[in-house]
Amino acid sequence: DQQVKQNSPSLSVQEGRISILNCDYTNSMFDYFLWYKKYPAEGPTFLISISSIKDKNEDGRFTVFLNKSAKHLSLHIVPSQPGDSAVYFCAASATNLGAQKLVFGQGTRLTINP
Amino acid sequence: GAGVSQSPSNKVTEKGKDVELRCDPISGHTALYWYRQSLGQGLEFLIYFQGNSAPDKSGLPSDRFSAERTGGSVSTLTIQRTQQEDSAVYLCASSRDREDYGYTFGSGTRLTVV
Repeated sequence: DQQVKQNSPSLSVQEGRISILNCDYTNSMFDYFLWYKKYPAEGPTFLISISSIKDKNEDGRFTVFLNKSAKHLSLHIVPSQPGDSAVYFCAASATNLGAQKLVFGQGTRLTINP
Repeated sequence: GAGVSQSPSNKVTEKGKDVELRCDPISGHTALYWYRQSLGQGLEFLIYFQGNSAPDKSGLPSDRFSAERTGGSVSTLTIQRTQQEDSAVYLCASSRDREDYGYTFGSGTRLTVV
């Protein structure tokens, strides 16, 4: 029962272009969403989050979009840089249920080509 | 400490042996989580500690898995009678409190059961 799905295991983008990473979820009770970035041999690091009361949150080159009706969120990185090459995980939580644990997707490996 | 520290970073053990994995969270963080990432999979929730409350053990895959958190700080994850399917990277994370979803992860312990 995969409640959070990242259907693209990998993505390759040219430096300077936009990277778009997608994530779908099935649990309509999820109300808080996050993106984490993971380099090899390191733990994931928090990147950006969005509450279900919003449909967009922007932080520098990173923007997260939420489409609640489609149960879909995406992470846009523009312009993409070589240091953005990493595995990106989306995660979700149902805070109104008092659920503290995050449910993660399988991850998408992003490669930025020079 | 400055970050979440996990030890050992790598562990190779024989099938049937017991292993202990250690996590030292960020000082003052009251919430502590254990996740694991099997090859090609996303992060799977195992257990969550919050202050002095009873832990949420709902993610532990079998009764061979247990965890404790002594004095509200260091946590130990114990796997008894290890099986090959236990091979994974075990990640520990901490956060300021139950409302803080920007977890700080450690670098993980890569467990290989041979």
